[in-house]
Amino acid sequence: DTGVSQNPRHKITKRGQNVTFRCDPISEHNRLYWYRQTLGQGPEFLTYFQNEAQLEKSRLLSDRFSAERPKGSFSTLEIQRTEQGDSAMYLCASSLAGSGVGQYFGPGTRLTVT
Amino acid sequence: SQELEQSPQSLIVQEGKNLTINCTSSKTLYGLYWYKQKYGEGLIFLMMLQKGGEEKSHEKITAKLDEKKQQSSLHITASQPSHAGIYLCGALTQGGSEKLVFGKGTKLTVNP
Repeated sequence: DTGVSQNPRHKITKRGQNVTFRCDPISEHNRLYWYRQTLGQGPEFLTYFQNEAQLEKSRLLSDRFSAERPKGSFSTLEIQRTEQGDSAMYLCASSLAGSGVGQYFGPGTRLTVT
Repeated sequence: SQELEQSPQSLIVQEGKNLTINCTSSKTLYGLYWYKQKYGEGLIFLMMLQKGGEEKSHEKITAKLDEKKQQSSLHITASQPSHAGIYLCGALTQGGSEKLVFGKGTKLTVNP
């Protein structure tokens, strides 16, 4: 069990640029989640996938955000035309549906928009 | 939207002391997760509680779920510096959904 991995761990970008993050879930997990966390707050749900299907999206996920999980394995989260308010830690988690086991989180990608 | 309130917001204890962190929901709890987070890092899964009255323990950490009170508590016995961090509770918002809503966290400091 190698755990959930996320890349890059840190990203600094200028306002207006596009960024893409990658998440590799635990291999046998079929559910994958994206959350965003700002300083002093708990994580906020963005979206989740079961296999390749995106089952739920938060209102936080504006048109500038898009997430994919094309083959039901790794996932990418893209932010277009970044704004300073997008600066946050982006967390990915995975779980196995019906297993009764919790969501396991990766180390996160810290985004700083200058 | 569901709101989770954690108390206290921060806690400083002497090594060896016991402590309790509470998590209260404004709505029905369908399940409750406890996580630990070190500053700037990801969340470490501690426990998941699904049934009213359920209690789970791992090493010196015990968590309970009281569905009637829409509340969960996390108790640490004989705290150690390694227990320091931010403890977060996350709730399942509705039956059949695994979307978690989180509290703001409780920052625990354990002084040696």
